[in-house]
Amino acid sequence: KQEVTQIPAALSVPEGENLVLNCSFTDSAIYNLQWFRQDPGKGLTSLLLIQSSQREQTSGRLNASLDKSSGRSTLYIAASQPGDSATYLCAAGLQGGSEKLVFGKGTKLTVNP
Amino acid sequence: SAVISQKPSRDICQRGTSLTIQCQVDSQVTMMFWYRQQPGQSLTLIATANQGSEATYESGFVIDKFPISRPNLTFSTLTVSNMSPEDSSIYLCSVERGNSNYGYTFGSGTRLTVV
Repeated sequence: KQEVTQIPAALSVPEGENLVLNCSFTDSAIYNLQWFRQDPGKGLTSLLLIQSSQREQTSGRLNASLDKSSGRSTLYIAASQPGDSATYLCAAGLQGGSEKLVFGKGTKLTVNP
Repeated sequence: SAVISQKPSRDICQRGTSLTIQCQVDSQVTMMFWYRQQPGQSLTLIATANQGSEATYESGFVIDKFPISRPNLTFSTLTVSNMSPEDSSIYLCSVERGNSNYGYTFGSGTRLTVV
């Protein structure tokens, strides 16, 4: 059974700092790995999707990496801003194209002005 | 990419009653997914809804408790039946965005409190 873990559960940083959020998964047979952002009272916003054949994806100040063999993914946020404050979720897409996502519990990020 | 309108955004319900949550997508999609996020927990898939067929439920979820309708390719409903305080959660619907770079789109969620 696939399990996804995110560390740390919460993180507080000063504005401008570069930071890394970690995600690990127990079964390396994943279809893809996706990072989401969840704001209070709102749904999920998709940030980056890494296919199983890829090693990383970039969008603006965000860079996500994937190492299937070690069961890890990281989300790097450069030059953090207060608007980046949110809960960040990673989700592993199960192999076989079943479209099922297994989520971690998230990392709550606070960027202080 | 698809845009999802989910209603209601929140509700407070009495135990023993039922609540129906609606999701409307601005484009036709084959599959829609319903998730539950209990307080302090990760999102868990409840079921996958295909148009024209019965929904497929994940382990631990049953149709009598969470009946789902999928009358067409742009709309689905999830009903939470005979509610108890343990059903207090955020419920979200999701569709695949049709873009391999961006994965899945989620509705804004329904925050349900059962008293």
